[in-house]
Amino acid sequence: RKEVEQDPGPFNVPEGATVAFNCTYSNSASQSFFWYRQDCRKEPKLLMSVYSSGNEDGRFTAQLNRASQYISLLIRDSKLSDSATYLCVVNEGGGATNKLIFGTGTLLAVQP
Amino acid sequence: DVKVTQSSRYLVKRTGEKVFLECVQDMDHENMFWYRQDPGLGLRLIYFSYDVKMKEKGDIPEGYSVSREKKERFSLILESASTNQTSMYLCASRAGTGGYGYTFGSGTRLTVV
Repeated sequence: RKEVEQDPGPFNVPEGATVAFNCTYSNSASQSFFWYRQDCRKEPKLLMSVYSSGNEDGRFTAQLNRASQYISLLIRDSKLSDSATYLCVVNEGGGATNKLIFGTGTLLAVQP
Repeated sequence: DVKVTQSSRYLVKRTGEKVFLECVQDMDHENMFWYRQDPGLGLRLIYFSYDVKMKEKGDIPEGYSVSREKKERFSLILESASTNQTSMYLCASRAGTGGYGYTFGSGTRLTVV
């Protein structure tokens, strides 16, 4: 089983749609969770951290379910500029470890 | 903002050459990482470093070595480049542990011919 699993997509959605990405992780000791965005042929950039209580940043909402080891990202009112690959990222475990484990990403294509 | 700078954006090298990829960060981060990214495989960790002169193997260290003589600089070395090392190489840095994400450099697209 992969440490971090995502649906690779692609998700093809029209502008204005709401789209949700899901991710599962295997290490129950993981403490830190993130969503990264990667544009074609560019480096990944931090989109948002994911907190236990869930958090929102504009049109983006992240949720964490520790019991199910599941993370989600919801994008409302999709824009053409949201087209990118979204990477689910989890730290390797608790304590002093500081490696992040990346999912292979979910490709989003927002259509006009 | 943290800046992570990779010395080359594109690089073409011949099989058997020794290749140096340089990475510099400007925010005094303890932790630095080298990944490669290939289609369908995602990001795979090659080596990482917690501190100056410290290094740890990642998931795919074979064919690579690293050097961290100064806190801000982390170098990846391909001892004898091979065609299967053609890839996008990404350097990242991170402050401490816990809730901090990585900051990535813009990547080096290496082609070995």
